[in-house]
Amino acid sequence: QKEVEQDPGPLSVPEGAIVSLNCTYSNSAFQYFMWYRQYSRKGPELLMYTYSSGNKEDGRFTAQVDKSSKYISLFIRDSQPSDSATYLCAMSARNTDKLIFGTGTRLQVFP
Amino acid sequence: ETGVTQSPTHLIKTRGQQVTLRCSSQSGHNTVSWYQQALGQGPQFIFQYYREEENGRGNFPPRFSGLQFPNYSSELNVNALELDDSALYLCASSQTASSGETQYFGPGTRLLVL
Repeated sequence: QKEVEQDPGPLSVPEGAIVSLNCTYSNSAFQYFMWYRQYSRKGPELLMYTYSSGNKEDGRFTAQVDKSSKYISLFIRDSQPSDSATYLCAMSARNTDKLIFGTGTRLQVFP
Repeated sequence: ETGVTQSPTHLIKTRGQQVTLRCSSQSGHNTVSWYQQALGQGPQFIFQYYREEENGRGNFPPRFSGLQFPNYSSELNVNALELDDSALYLCASSQTASSGETQYFGPGTRLLVL
């Protein structure tokens, strides 16, 4: 079993839709949770960063962490074609900054 | 743009050869981590360098080695290349080697081993 599980998609939605992306994990030591966006043939770009449980909002993006369920989510409101990319969840434990990534979910937003 | 640069952008090698990839960290950052991303997969941690010393290693064989220089730029060396080494190699820099430190990724070097 992988430490981090993420549905690879692809996920195809119309412009303006609300998108929900999710990851589950097995290691209870994870404390830091991130979402990266990766466009084709580019490096990952940090979107959201959350420490421990809770919600964080930044513009159209909301990240949620539920440590009791070992489940994290990223919501994208009013999705745009420019949001079409692969979204990677990543996490790390205390006393290390080694990131453990999910496989990534490919999102396509069509006009 | 994160300010992290990598060279070369693309590389083609044959099995058994050796390769060196380079990374310049963001200004003010003293820590560099290297990741391997196979097609359709998430990045996998190779190792991290902090102040010119290896500071943690993932599940990669010793033929993957690295260096960090006094200006905090870094190299990844891979000896005896295998077909499975074909991947996007990403370097990430962070301000320091503390837990939870944000890592900023470069654009990657795409390596193809034939």
